[in-house]
Amino acid sequence: DQQVKQNSPSLSVQEGRISILNCDYTNSMFDYFLWYKKYPAEGPTFLISISSIKDKNEDGRFTVFLNKSAKHLSLHIVPSQPGDSAVYFCAASALDYGQNFVFGPGTRLSVLP
Amino acid sequence: DAGVTQSPTHLIKTRGQQVTLRCSPKSGHDTVSWYQQALGQGPQFIFQYYEEEERQRGNFPDRFSGHQFPNYSSELNVNALLLGDSALYLCASSLARQSYGYTFGSGTRLTVV
Repeated sequence: DQQVKQNSPSLSVQEGRISILNCDYTNSMFDYFLWYKKYPAEGPTFLISISSIKDKNEDGRFTVFLNKSAKHLSLHIVPSQPGDSAVYFCAASALDYGQNFVFGPGTRLSVLP
Repeated sequence: DAGVTQSPTHLIKTRGQQVTLRCSPKSGHDTVSWYQQALGQGPQFIFQYYEEEERQRGNFPDRFSGHQFPNYSSELNVNALLLGDSALYLCASSLARQSYGYTFGSGTRLTVV
């Protein structure tokens, strides 16, 4: 049973437009969420995080929104750039779980020039 | 500043054999976590080592074992390899006193034939 779901395996967006990647979770104990980006032949790279006490966190072109009641978070990239093309993983953790992260299956983003 | 270093980068083993994967954490980090990423899936937590002891373990059989050395480097051992163990094995390091903030290595691609 997947605790973290990313229901879109892939997403294509035109350069300059907004990319929206979605993530749903089932475990209400999760209180910290992260997004990682992964290029081929590289390890995942931390992108942005959000704590459950917030509903939005912004870092440059990247914004993460958290809707706790819906157990849903989303990553917005504006404007999208070709270099953003990668696989994006949503990950969740709970303080009681220590540093054990549960990852979603990932969404492959393609930004078309 | 070297990040997380994993060796080897690629490995081919025969079913039933044993394998050892190695990880050197990022300078200053004292905690090492291991993840298995099967094709098309997100990373799955195997275990975490801190102060040379296994601190947390995911849902993996006892065939998966590990070790952390006094210099914080770590090994992942897998015995009696199965075809299903073929995956990318990721090592991530962090600081124990900082609950979050993984740095991932590029991984070891293990193929079991």
